[in-house]
Amino acid sequence: DQQVKQNSPSLSVQEGRISILNCDYTNSMFDYFLWYKKYPAEGPTFLISISSIKDKNEDGRFTVFLNKSAKHLSLHIVPSQPGDSAVYFCAAKTGGTGGFKTIFGAGTRLFVKA
Amino acid sequence: EAQVTQNPRYLITVTGKKLTVTCSQNMNHEYMSWYRQDPGLGLRQIYYSMNVEVTDKGDVPEGYKVSRKEKRNFPLILESPSPNQTSLYFCASSLYTSGSWNTQYFGPGTRLTVL
Repeated sequence: DQQVKQNSPSLSVQEGRISILNCDYTNSMFDYFLWYKKYPAEGPTFLISISSIKDKNEDGRFTVFLNKSAKHLSLHIVPSQPGDSAVYFCAAKTGGTGGFKTIFGAGTRLFVKA
Repeated sequence: EAQVTQNPRYLITVTGKKLTVTCSQNMNHEYMSWYRQDPGLGLRQIYYSMNVEVTDKGDVPEGYKVSRKEKRNFPLILESPSPNQTSLYFCASSLYTSGSWNTQYFGPGTRLTVL
């Protein structure tokens, strides 16, 4: 049973446009959410995170939105650049009495066309 | 330079032959973790450690052991590897302060093949 789902295996976007990557989760005990970018033959790189007590966090071209009632989060990249082409993973963390586990989604491959 | 190192980067072994993959970080992080990445499944957490001598199971701990005797090191041990443990393994570390997770750094990965 996948607790964190990224339903789009891939996404193609034109350079300069907005990229929107989506993530759904089922466990209401998750209290922190993170996005990572991964290039082939490298480890994932942290992009941006959001606590469950917030609904938006912004860092430069990257913005993460959290909708707790819908158990949904999204990553917006504006404007998209060819160097953003990578696999993006959504991850969720439990904390406190639930243990400090991290659950990842299966990833979405983003292609940014020049 | 802040980094997480893993060794070896590539390993081909045979069923049943014990192996250890080392992981070391130079950032004095309390939290360390091991993941495996398989096609279509993303990264799955094997074990994590909140500090020295404090370890706990992730989602897929069967067939693996870990230890945390020093803050900087978190080795992954496969006592009797099997072919279903063929995968790409990542070690990671991060700082956790007062309910806030800071940047998690990942190592470059270890590609393990068990024949």
